[in-house]
Amino acid sequence: KNEVEQSPQNLTAQEGEFITINCSYSVGISALHWLQQHPGGGIVSLFMLSSGKKKHGRLIATINIQEKHSSLHITASHPRDSAVYICAVLKDNTGNQFYFGTGTSLTVIP
Amino acid sequence: NAGVTQTPKFQVLKTGQSMTLQCAQDMNHEYMSWYRQDPGMGLRLIHYSVGAGITDQGEVPNGYNVSRSTTEDFPLRLLSAAPSQTSVYFCASSIFAGQETQYFGPGTRLLVL
Repeated sequence: KNEVEQSPQNLTAQEGEFITINCSYSVGISALHWLQQHPGGGIVSLFMLSSGKKKHGRLIATINIQEKHSSLHITASHPRDSAVYICAVLKDNTGNQFYFGTGTSLTVIP
Repeated sequence: NAGVTQTPKFQVLKTGQSMTLQCAQDMNHEYMSWYRQDPGMGLRLIHYSVGAGITDQGEVPNGYNVSRSTTEDFPLRLLSAAPSQTSVYFCASSIFAGQETQYFGPGTRLLVL
Protein backbone atom coordinates (compact mmCIF):
# COMPACT_ATOMS: atom_id res chain seq x y z
CA LYS A 1 0.00 0.00 0.00
CA ASN A 2 1.32 3.41 -0.96
CA GLU A 3 2.18 5.56 2.03
CA VAL A 4 0.71 8.60 0.24
CA GLU A 5 -2.80 8.32 -1.12
CA GLN A 6 -4.58 10.91 -3.21
CA SER A 7 -8.25 11.22 -4.07
CA PRO A 8 -9.88 11.43 -6.42
CA GLN A 9 -7.65 9.93 -9.13
CA ASN A 10 -9.53 11.79 -11.84
CA LEU A 11 -11.72 14.85 -11.61
CA THR A 12 -13.74 16.72 -14.21
CA ALA A 13 -15.22 20.10 -13.34
CA GLN A 14 -17.08 22.91 -15.05
CA GLU A 15 -15.32 26.24 -15.28
CA GLY A 16 -15.98 28.28 -12.15
CA GLU A 17 -16.48 25.33 -9.82
CA PHE A 18 -14.72 25.00 -6.46
CA ILE A 19 -12.36 22.02 -6.50
CA THR A 20 -10.88 19.97 -3.66
CA ILE A 21 -8.11 17.41 -4.01
CA ASN A 22 -7.20 15.30 -1.00
CA CYS A 23 -3.95 13.75 0.21
CA SER A 24 -3.68 11.29 3.09
CA TYR A 25 -0.46 9.81 4.40
CA SER A 26 0.32 7.08 6.89
CA VAL A 27 3.77 8.08 8.13
CA GLY A 28 5.22 10.87 10.22
CA ILE A 29 6.32 13.77 8.06
CA SER A 30 8.29 16.97 8.42
CA ALA A 31 6.83 18.67 5.33
CA LEU A 32 4.28 18.20 2.57
CA HIS A 33 4.49 19.62 -0.94
CA TRP A 34 1.86 20.11 -3.62
CA LEU A 35 3.10 19.98 -7.21
CA GLN A 36 1.41 20.68 -10.52
CA GLN A 37 2.34 18.73 -13.65
CA HIS A 38 1.29 20.42 -16.86
CA PRO A 39 -0.05 18.45 -19.84
CA GLY A 40 3.33 18.92 -21.52
CA GLY A 41 5.04 17.16 -18.61
CA GLY A 42 6.70 20.04 -16.76
CA ILE A 43 6.44 19.99 -12.94
CA VAL A 44 6.02 23.11 -10.82
CA SER A 45 6.02 23.37 -7.05
CA LEU A 46 2.86 25.04 -5.72
CA PHE A 47 3.14 24.88 -1.92
CA MET A 48 5.32 23.61 0.89
CA LEU A 49 3.44 23.06 4.16
CA SER A 50 4.48 21.95 7.61
CA SER A 51 1.37 23.25 9.38
CA GLY A 52 -1.77 25.31 8.88
CA LYS A 53 -2.78 26.86 5.62
CA LYS A 54 -1.26 28.71 2.67
CA LYS A 55 -2.90 30.71 -0.12
CA HIS A 56 -1.59 31.78 -3.49
CA GLY A 57 -4.05 33.42 -5.83
CA ARG A 58 -6.95 31.01 -6.36
CA LEU A 59 -5.10 28.11 -4.74
CA ILE A 60 -5.38 27.23 -1.07
CA ALA A 61 -3.54 24.37 0.65
CA THR A 62 -4.25 23.11 4.16
CA ILE A 63 -2.70 20.44 6.32
CA ASN A 64 -3.88 18.69 9.48
CA ILE A 65 -0.86 17.00 11.02
CA GLN A 66 -2.89 15.09 13.64
CA GLU A 67 -5.20 13.60 11.02
CA LYS A 68 -2.35 13.07 8.52
CA HIS A 69 -4.32 14.82 5.80
CA SER A 70 -3.88 17.72 3.39
CA SER A 71 -6.21 19.35 0.90
CA LEU A 72 -5.62 21.48 -2.15
CA HIS A 73 -8.48 23.78 -3.09
CA ILE A 74 -8.94 25.68 -6.32
CA THR A 75 -11.52 28.47 -6.30
CA ALA A 76 -13.21 29.69 -9.49
CA SER A 77 -11.59 26.96 -11.56
CA HIS A 78 -10.45 27.71 -15.11
CA PRO A 79 -9.50 25.47 -18.05
CA ARG A 80 -5.85 26.50 -17.58
CA ASP A 81 -5.98 24.72 -14.18
CA SER A 82 -6.25 21.41 -16.07
CA ALA A 83 -3.20 19.43 -14.96
CA VAL A 84 -2.11 16.59 -12.70
CA TYR A 85 -1.74 17.62 -9.05
CA ILE A 86 0.75 15.63 -7.00
CA CYS A 87 1.17 15.41 -3.25
CA ALA A 88 4.67 14.68 -1.89
CA VAL A 89 5.75 14.12 1.72
CA LEU A 90 9.11 14.38 3.38
CA LYS A 91 9.16 11.51 5.85
CA ASP A 92 10.43 11.96 9.40
CA ASN A 93 13.74 10.22 10.03
CA THR A 94 14.67 10.01 6.36
CA GLY A 95 15.64 13.63 6.31
CA ASN A 96 15.97 14.08 2.63
CA GLN A 97 13.67 11.67 0.84
CA PHE A 98 10.36 12.51 -0.75
CA TYR A 99 7.50 10.06 -1.27
CA PHE A 100 4.82 10.86 -3.79
CA GLY A 101 1.16 10.20 -4.39
CA THR A 102 0.12 8.97 -7.83
CA GLY A 103 -1.52 12.27 -8.65
CA THR A 104 -5.00 13.64 -9.37
CA SER A 105 -5.76 14.39 -13.00
CA LEU A 106 -7.98 17.49 -13.21
CA THR A 107 -9.85 18.57 -16.33
CA VAL A 108 -11.77 21.85 -16.24
CA ILE A 109 -14.33 22.19 -19.04
CA PRO A 110 -15.23 25.67 -20.36
CA ASN B 1 18.85 32.00 -14.58
CA ALA B 2 18.33 28.88 -16.67
CA GLY B 3 16.99 27.03 -13.61
CA VAL B 4 17.32 23.24 -13.85
CA THR B 5 18.35 21.89 -17.23
CA GLN B 6 18.33 18.28 -18.41
CA THR B 7 19.80 16.65 -21.49
CA PRO B 8 18.88 14.84 -23.60
CA LYS B 9 15.12 15.37 -23.90
CA PHE B 10 14.59 11.97 -25.45
CA GLN B 11 16.81 8.90 -25.85
CA VAL B 12 16.45 5.42 -27.26
CA LEU B 13 18.82 2.74 -25.98
CA LYS B 14 19.31 -0.93 -26.65
CA THR B 15 19.38 -3.37 -23.76
CA GLY B 16 22.85 -3.48 -22.22
CA GLN B 17 23.96 -0.03 -23.41
CA SER B 18 25.09 2.57 -20.91
CA MET B 19 24.43 6.27 -20.91
CA THR B 20 24.51 9.38 -18.74
CA LEU B 21 21.58 11.71 -18.20
CA GLN B 22 22.81 15.21 -17.51
CA CYS B 23 21.35 17.61 -14.94
CA ALA B 24 22.61 21.08 -14.12
CA GLN B 25 21.32 24.00 -12.05
CA ASP B 26 22.57 27.57 -11.77
CA MET B 27 20.80 28.56 -8.54
CA ASN B 28 23.57 27.43 -6.17
CA HIS B 29 21.26 24.81 -4.66
CA GLU B 30 22.76 22.28 -2.28
CA TYR B 31 20.05 19.61 -2.66
CA MET B 32 19.65 17.78 -5.97
CA SER B 33 17.70 14.65 -6.74
CA TRP B 34 16.71 12.27 -9.52
CA TYR B 35 13.23 10.77 -9.93
CA ARG B 36 11.62 8.41 -12.35
CA GLN B 37 7.97 8.64 -13.29
CA ASP B 38 6.08 5.60 -14.48
CA PRO B 39 2.37 5.35 -15.37
CA GLY B 40 0.21 4.63 -12.33
CA MET B 41 3.15 4.72 -9.90
CA GLY B 42 3.93 8.35 -9.29
CA LEU B 43 7.39 9.81 -8.95
CA ARG B 44 10.00 7.69 -7.19
CA LEU B 45 13.33 8.88 -5.82
CA ILE B 46 16.40 7.22 -7.38
CA HIS B 47 19.34 9.07 -5.81
CA TYR B 48 19.88 12.39 -4.11
CA SER B 49 22.69 14.68 -2.99
CA VAL B 50 22.85 17.23 -0.18
CA GLY B 51 26.01 18.88 -1.48
CA ALA B 52 29.12 18.42 -3.58
CA GLY B 53 30.79 15.12 -2.80
CA ILE B 54 27.76 13.70 -0.95
CA THR B 55 25.25 11.31 -2.52
CA ASP B 56 22.80 8.78 -1.16
CA GLN B 57 20.32 6.21 -2.40
CA GLY B 58 16.62 6.76 -2.68
CA GLU B 59 13.75 4.34 -3.08
CA VAL B 60 14.80 2.74 -6.40
CA PRO B 61 18.60 3.04 -6.83
CA ASN B 62 19.41 -0.31 -8.49
CA GLY B 63 20.92 0.03 -11.94
CA TYR B 64 21.83 3.68 -11.50
CA ASN B 65 24.91 5.56 -10.33
CA VAL B 66 25.37 9.23 -9.49
CA SER B 67 28.19 11.57 -8.57
CA ARG B 68 28.29 15.18 -7.43
CA SER B 69 31.70 16.68 -8.12
CA THR B 70 30.36 20.26 -8.32
CA THR B 71 27.38 22.09 -6.81
CA GLU B 72 25.95 22.68 -10.31
CA ASP B 73 25.99 19.21 -11.87
CA PHE B 74 24.36 15.92 -10.87
CA PRO B 75 24.60 13.32 -13.66
CA LEU B 76 22.72 10.02 -13.54
CA ARG B 77 24.41 7.00 -15.11
CA LEU B 78 22.62 3.92 -16.36
CA LEU B 79 25.19 1.16 -16.15
CA SER B 80 23.56 -1.48 -18.37
CA ALA B 81 20.15 -0.39 -19.62
CA ALA B 82 17.18 -2.71 -19.22
CA PRO B 83 13.63 -2.40 -20.61
CA SER B 84 12.42 -1.89 -16.99
CA GLN B 85 14.30 1.43 -17.03
CA THR B 86 12.03 2.81 -19.74
CA SER B 87 10.59 5.84 -17.99
CA VAL B 88 10.55 9.61 -17.76
CA TYR B 89 13.36 10.94 -15.59
CA PHE B 90 13.20 14.22 -13.71
CA CYS B 91 16.00 16.05 -11.96
CA ALA B 92 15.13 18.55 -9.20
CA SER B 93 16.98 20.94 -6.92
CA SER B 94 16.28 23.08 -3.88
CA ILE B 95 18.25 25.32 -1.53
CA PHE B 96 18.35 22.81 1.28
CA ALA B 97 17.30 19.22 1.71
CA GLY B 98 13.60 18.92 1.15
CA GLN B 99 12.27 21.82 3.20
CA GLU B 100 12.22 24.40 0.45
CA THR B 101 10.58 24.83 -2.93
CA GLN B 102 11.81 22.21 -5.37
CA TYR B 103 12.62 23.21 -8.92
CA PHE B 104 12.22 20.52 -11.55
CA GLY B 105 13.95 20.06 -14.86
CA PRO B 106 11.89 19.45 -18.02
CA GLY B 107 12.46 15.70 -17.95
CA THR B 108 14.19 13.08 -20.12
CA ARG B 109 12.09 10.45 -21.83
CA LEU B 110 14.05 7.18 -22.07
CA LEU B 111 13.05 4.15 -24.12
CA VAL B 112 15.05 0.95 -23.70
CA LEU B 113 14.47 -1.66 -26.39
